[in-house]
Order: sequence, then structure tokens, then C-alpha cells
Amino acid sequence: ETGVTQTPRHLVMGMTNKKSLKCEQHLGHNAMYWYKQSAKKPLELMFVYNFKEQTENNSVPSRFSPECPNSSHLFLHLHTLQPEDSALYLCASSLDRPSYEQYFGPGTRLTVT
Amino acid sequence: GQNIDQPTEMTATEGAIVQINCTYQTSGFNGLFWYQQHAGEAPTFLSYNVLDGLEEKGRFSSFLSRSKGYSYLLLKELQMKDSASYLCAVRDSGGYQKVTFGTGTKLQVIP
Repeated sequence: ETGVTQTPRHLVMGMTNKKSLKCEQHLGHNAMYWYKQSAKKPLELMFVYNFKEQTENNSVPSRFSPECPNSSHLFLHLHTLQPEDSALYLCASSLDRPSYEQYFGPGTRLTVT
Repeated sequence: GQNIDQPTEMTATEGAIVQINCTYQTSGFNGLFWYQQHAGEAPTFLSYNVLDGLEEKGRFSSFLSRSKGYSYLLLKELQMKDSASYLCAVRDSGGYQKVTFGTGTKLQVIP
């Protein structure tokens, strides 16, 4: 149990669908992150939110839209995705201090058909 | 930006010691992390180095040389459960929440 939960754990969607991924952290952290993990590639940072404000957008296509209503919840809204977007999407949270590690959720395995 | 290099795979014997290396080229540096990721699971934190030297935590130790852009993770008394991917990650000095990960080293521990 990591204190960071993600739903759904698995998602299959067509290219014309709209879906949302949800992340919730119960650790009292201030910063939350979305990462993409594809086979044989490093974890790719997508977005960072600190105290609900977006501080990083790592050149992510607009078909991915993040939302952070409060410091405990983070969403990733998906629309008109491409098959190459199929991957494991990981949410993480941390305190807003340099030495503090990130705690990861179990991820959502996304398949775009 | 950051460029991080790690070996793709390693194999070691149960009970032995293994060293996993990580080299990085960065435009800024504010700390290096090691994470462990078992297949199908989330990464979990192992260690953090920001100053040169060795940090020891039980069977795991991590070393950093900032001048050489080099780190290693040392695993002692290997156990079968240590079979996992080990991810090296560097924090950028520009934004302390921006962390760049290497591709990871898949370690297989054999009897």
C-alpha cells in the first residue's frame, strides 16, 4: 500500500473516445506528477502540479489534459488518442522539497485501439 | 536537459554483490535518486544522493561523484526478491520537482 491510488487500473479505449484517469494521494503531499512509461523507454515526466498550480508541462500533446482540483487529487483527461499513446501511466506525489522522494501509484495500463 | 545511461540488463547470483552504474550529463544537478521497480508494479524509492560519497542503507548503498557525473547502486547479499528493474533518476537544478529517469537496469538474480 503506497498511499497513492489510481483508477482505473486498466483501460481500453478507441481513438475517438474520451476518458479520464484519476489519482488520489493520502500522504499530505503538495506536489503531484503524471508520468508515461512505455516499453524499453525511460519514465517520461508529463506534468507537475505544486499546490494545485501546474509548474511543468513537458511538451505533452494537447490530447492529454491534466486537472488538479486540490493537492490530493489529480486527473488526466484523454481525448482522440493515438495507438502510440498506449502505455502505463503513473501518478506520483511528493513534498515540495528537493530531498524528498516521489511516491508512485500502481499505474493505469492504457491500450488505445 | 539530462542524459542518463545505465546498463540494460544484469545477472547476478543469490548471495553475491552487484554494482549497477549510472552516468549522467546534465545542464544542472540537484540530486540523484535510485528507485526499484518490480515487474507490473510501481517504482519505490531506494536512495537519494546530493553530495559526493557513499550512502548506506541496509543491504543497499548508493555512491555519487558529481565531478564525474557518476553514481552506482550496490546491492549486497542478493536475494531472489531483488530481481527487479533499478531506475536512476536525476533532479534538475532548474525546477526541483523535475526529475529525469534513465531507462532502468533489469537485474535478474539466479540461484
